[in-house]
Amino acid sequence: SQQGEEDPQALSIQEGENATMNCSYKTSINNLQWYRQNSGRGLVHLILIRSNEREKHSGRLRVTLDTSKKSSSLLITASRAADTASYFCATGLLNTGTASKLTFGTGTRLQVTL
Amino acid sequence: SAVISQKPSRDICQRGTSLTIQCQVDSQVTMMFWYRQQPGQSLTLIATANQGSEATYESGFVIDKFPISRPNLTFSTLTVSNMSPEDSSIYLCSVESGEGTDTQYFGPGTRLTVL
Repeated sequence: SQQGEEDPQALSIQEGENATMNCSYKTSINNLQWYRQNSGRGLVHLILIRSNEREKHSGRLRVTLDTSKKSSSLLITASRAADTASYFCATGLLNTGTASKLTFGTGTRLQVTL
Repeated sequence: SAVISQKPSRDICQRGTSLTIQCQVDSQVTMMFWYRQQPGQSLTLIATANQGSEATYESGFVIDKFPISRPNLTFSTLTVSNMSPEDSSIYLCSVESGEGTDTQYFGPGTRLTVL
């Protein structure tokens, strides 16, 4: 079953506005990663936040993590038409060995209009 | 960051046939992962591929249907066997960055359509 649920499922905003997407998950995690996917292509890694972190920034992106509520949010500020894509959160659980295997959320489709 | 390529980028196949998807990484990695993304859906992990050992499959995925090879630390293949239209999906491989950050990078995906 899906680990993460995202809301909203779809979001339409105008260029320059901010976009906020939320992700909730069910079990304890090692890390949470956000990805962008354009038109069914490969995933682009945006940002990783560890379970002991509460907030991270990368350019116009701001990610928060609340482990007590098992939730995370992705904020894109000053959105651009090029930000139009699907956004997925993925929770990382420690796998055997050194890597974490990811469980993906349902995704948010963001549409940024001019 | 790791640079990952996949072949083919897309294919249209007939029911009952098999397709092998290749994943090549520009650096040596311990683990590689294979995911499936069905139309309009999120990604689901198929299996974890370790070099030198059998792949570990997630619930709902079996080796007979999705055999995986991992001959070295930079390459893996996923075969989709005895295909049906329900196998139409995007198949993606991923690797951990190896930089101690747990970041996973994905290949561009293989879009498979089964008629």
